[in-house]
Amino acid sequence: DTGVSQNPRHKITKRGQNVTFRCDPISEHNRLYWYRQTLGQGPEFLTYFQNEAQLEKSRLLSDRFSAERPKGSFSTLEIQRTEQGDSAMYLCASSPLAGGPDTQYFGPGTRLTVL
Amino acid sequence: GNSVTQMEGPVTLSEEAFLTINCTYTATGYPSLFWYVQYPGEGLQLLLKATKADDKGSNKGFEATYRKETTSFHLEKGSVQVSDSAVYFCALRTGRRALTFGSGTRLQVQP
Repeated sequence: DTGVSQNPRHKITKRGQNVTFRCDPISEHNRLYWYRQTLGQGPEFLTYFQNEAQLEKSRLLSDRFSAERPKGSFSTLEIQRTEQGDSAMYLCASSPLAGGPDTQYFGPGTRLTVL
Repeated sequence: GNSVTQMEGPVTLSEEAFLTINCTYTATGYPSLFWYVQYPGEGLQLLLKATKADDKGSNKGFEATYRKETTSFHLEKGSVQVSDSAVYFCALRTGRRALTFGSGTRLQVQP
């Protein structure tokens, strides 16, 4: 069990550029989540996958954001035409598909800075 | 909708002091409740959880009891250590799979 990994750990970009982040969940975890955390705040939910299906999207996920999980394993989160307000820590979490309340395991996050 | 309210930090304590971090929630349905901890430079880790009213979650000397009547899930520890210095997040989950987090409480323990 190597845990949830995210790449890159840090990304600095200029306003208007596109960025893509990758998340590798714990193997055999069917559920994958993306959250965004700004300084001094708790994580806010962005979107959720069960296997390859994107089952839920937050209103925070504007049209500039897109997430995929094509083979039900790793996931990517792309932000197009980045804005300074997109600067945040982007967290990925995964959990197993099992009965009862699940425990979400978080990755270390990707810190995005938009200049 | 769902929401979680935590006491504002930072909370500064001396080693071996008693810790309480207050957490109250608003939720539809019957939520599961969680405390996550974020140590400096590390990712979020689950500290403890409770899934129904009157359940007590515990781990590493920390405890929290699910109080439905007061919609609270306060975190307590009898004797804190310097190594407990971190940011603590209260969270809930209902039918939706996503967690709803509070804004976090920073704990600083001084030797």
